[in-house]
Amino acid sequence: DAGITQSPRHKVTETGTPVTLRCHQTENHRYMYWYRQDPGHGLRLIHYSYGVKDTDKGEVSDGYSVSRSKTEDFLLTLESATSSQTSVYFCAISSGLAGATSETQYFGPGTRLLVL
Amino acid sequence: SQQGEEDPQALSIQEGENATMNCSYKTSINNLQWYRQNSGRGLVHLILIRSNEREKHSGRLRVTLDTSKKSSSLLITASRAADTASYFCATDAGAQKLVFGQGTRLTINP
Repeated sequence: DAGITQSPRHKVTETGTPVTLRCHQTENHRYMYWYRQDPGHGLRLIHYSYGVKDTDKGEVSDGYSVSRSKTEDFLLTLESATSSQTSVYFCAISSGLAGATSETQYFGPGTRLLVL
Repeated sequence: SQQGEEDPQALSIQEGENATMNCSYKTSINNLQWYRQNSGRGLVHLILIRSNEREKHSGRLRVTLDTSKKSSSLLITASRAADTASYFCATDAGAQKLVFGQGTRLTINP
């Protein structure tokens, strides 16, 4: 299995509080991604990173911010959590060696977030 | 927006039977990938087929790609209980991004 861990694995929080999810990889892969998975929507890309301090928005980025200060860590922050952000969050990585063509992505175990 | 759409949304078969899932997409692609997700787990990559390939095999998996119809199929032969999972197709959205479909839930009955 690719060395990807997510923390925490489960979190319950209240509306309006800030939440930070962490993704850590040991593969030295260039690309890292945050997805959310909701019933009826499949996986949707929130933000992704193509290098240290290089990030870009995905399909559903409103209400989320990210940071990548080291190759191995990619943080997802909900500045002020809302009930609509209750979801399962997955981190993924890819090497990016194939240039512009998408490659295999390797997924972490997920974080279940409940916003009350 | 989601490019890949799987069909059917759910599939229930007996152990030993073959399972076929389909994926349709809208725009041209460089490649198409299939992933499996067991309940409560992250996605696991199964197979990648490039736009210039028509068929690819991996063990009991067979993937076809028809770029003229913008569709792909995943065939699992001689299904086992351990194949029970959700299966997703993902299309290349450029810039190392993938767009996932909503998945097919496959149940293998003993």
